[in-house]
Amino acid sequence: AQSVTQLDSHVSVSEGTPVLLRCNYSSSYSPSLFWYVQHPNKGLQLLLKYTSAATLVKGINGFEAEFKKSETSFHLTKPSAHMSDAAEYFCVAISGGSYIPTFGRGTSLIVHP
Amino acid sequence: SQTIHQWPATLVQPVGSPLSLECTVEGTSNPNLYWYRQAAGRGLQLLFYSVGIGQISSEVPQNLSASRPQDRQFILSSKKLLLSDSGFYLCAWSLETLNTEAFFGQGTRLTVV
Repeated sequence: AQSVTQLDSHVSVSEGTPVLLRCNYSSSYSPSLFWYVQHPNKGLQLLLKYTSAATLVKGINGFEAEFKKSETSFHLTKPSAHMSDAAEYFCVAISGGSYIPTFGRGTSLIVHP
Repeated sequence: SQTIHQWPATLVQPVGSPLSLECTVEGTSNPNLYWYRQAAGRGLQLLFYSVGIGQISSEVPQNLSASRPQDRQFILSSKKLLLSDSGFYLCAWSLETLNTEAFFGQGTRLTVV
């Protein structure tokens, strides 16, 4: 069985400051890991994905994430937050055991001017 | 290229009325199909998934049902809606291969009144 834990339900930052959204996973198989973003009443858009190649993954809109196997983590970061980054972010795991996307509970990113 | 269509975008239904949400995928064959529900302030809950025509797995016991009458069509139904069925419903598809992400529809906002 696999599970995904997003450690913060809400993260609040000021515009121009760094963003850190935390994600830990557990899986019996080596998973593929993804971060999605959801703006209000919209579907989910893929930000980036880790697929066992480089451990540091760069995505769209300046986001990146680092896969750390020893810590079973896949935290999402951005050097400088923009107001348009305010949204819900989901960490997702897919493993060879079931191929069913398993979601974290989501983290709401709030960006203050 | 692959696309996913989900409709309607919004729906207001009275308690006790039936429900039918439809999702279709284009540009791929034999996808895995999923229905998720997102209640207010909560993460995504997997409701149903399907690995082939007529094959439906239910993750959560409830008054909803799903059907897959064609390879790329996935329908979420209810005979009698409850207030607790209100939420944001997302259809998604993926391929049963590693390192591929899931793709999401734009969602349906269902309000049961």
